[in-house]
Amino acid sequence: DAGVTQSPTHLIKTRGQQVTLRCSPKSGHDTVSWYQQALGQGPQFIFQYYEEEERQRGNFPDRFSGHQFPNYSSELNVNALLLGDSALYLCASSLARGIRDTEAFFGQGTRLTVV
Amino acid sequence: AQSVAQPEDQVNVAEGNPLTVKCTYSVSGNPYLFWYVQYPNRGLQFLLKYITGDNLVKGSYGFEAEFNKSQTSFHLKKPSALVSDSALYFCAVRDPLYGGATNKLIFGTGTLLAVQP
Repeated sequence: DAGVTQSPTHLIKTRGQQVTLRCSPKSGHDTVSWYQQALGQGPQFIFQYYEEEERQRGNFPDRFSGHQFPNYSSELNVNALLLGDSALYLCASSLARGIRDTEAFFGQGTRLTVV
Repeated sequence: AQSVAQPEDQVNVAEGNPLTVKCTYSVSGNPYLFWYVQYPNRGLQFLLKYITGDNLVKGSYGFEAEFNKSQTSFHLKKPSALVSDSALYFCAVRDPLYGGATNKLIFGTGTLLAVQP
């Protein structure tokens, strides 16, 4: 059973460019969340997708956007990249079951470096 | 606002000794608490969670955590540390804003556990 997979694993972009990161959730999971982990920090919630809609959003600008596809996979898009966007981007999947929903399983992350 | 605090940036322990990694929380309502571990250049791995029930929660790799409501703490423990336990440990709380639906996690800043042989 494949866990959460993310691609690419590493990425280098130039300031001002746009980037798309991809995530395939664990088999059977229907909810995808994205987190940004800056060096030396804990992960910060960006947003969450459920039933192809953004369900919750953290304190991130509109430059950060996403999408969820019918097969539950997801993309994170970041426009007009800034140096401060350099971080490890983590995707987490879970299964929504109301109060007893499952814990989140994380992918290996995509290391984004903006130069 | 919901939050967790990990007061120690680093914990050093000798192999074979018991270890404790501290976490305190601040939430409104019932807390849903988690511990995750992160090895270098890897994602987060789930260790254990507290939703309700027994205050002592057992998890993966011999780890356990004790929920203490009066002290608003959720410390991670292991009776005998291994060198391979050396990693970054994160405490997290689920933000209950959306009721029972799957919610976002709010993480602490992490504690680096170093186990010396």
